[in-house]
Amino acid sequence: AQSVTQLGSHVSVSEGALVLLRCNYSSSVPPYLFWYVQYPNQGLQLLLKYTSAATLVKGINGFEAEFKKSETSFHLTKPSAHMSDAAEYFCAVSDRGGTGGFKTIFGAGTRLFVKA
Amino acid sequence: KAGVTQTPRYLIKTRGQQVTLSCSPISGHRSVSWYQQTPGQGLQFLFEYFSETQRNKGNFPGRFSGRQFSNSRSEMNVSTLELGDSALYLCASSSQGVANYGYTFGSGTRLTVV
Repeated sequence: AQSVTQLGSHVSVSEGALVLLRCNYSSSVPPYLFWYVQYPNQGLQLLLKYTSAATLVKGINGFEAEFKKSETSFHLTKPSAHMSDAAEYFCAVSDRGGTGGFKTIFGAGTRLFVKA
Repeated sequence: KAGVTQTPRYLIKTRGQQVTLSCSPISGHRSVSWYQQTPGQGLQFLFEYFSETQRNKGNFPGRFSGRQFSNSRSEMNVSTLELGDSALYLCASSSQGVANYGYTFGSGTRLTVV
């Protein structure tokens, strides 16, 4: 069965500092992996996705993530945090459901705080 | 290109009542999934519809049901509401076929049960 663990429910960084949000997954088959961002009172927005084409994935807003199969990790990074990055971030793993289609499981989320 | 539209945005219901939430996916997307989001449980998968058929289902009681119409619009229904059903209900559409390209989410319906 697939699962996702996000290490740290809250992460605080200073503006301009490196952002690192950690995600480890478990899946019985090569998975699809995603990062989503959620701003207050909104739905989730897709930041980036890993679909086995390349291990380093670049997304929107300067974020990127690296798929490491040996570590079953898919950590999200951004070289320099901006105040507008403050939001909640969700890692997700997806593989084929039993009756076709895909079943996507989300991590518990990490709230990112950016200090001026 | 219009996004995923969920209606209504906010809803207040009384215990024991039933509620229907609506979702219009992105044009051309045939897969619609529903999630319940709460502070304690996070994002929990409810079900997925594809071409009017429920294709995957999460671990929710039978009080939670859904359907999809021929134009891919979807509704979910919760009967006999309980206080614990208070949550943000998110609809996500996808063009899933052979590969998974991820979801486009709506802004959600915030349901409060009193």
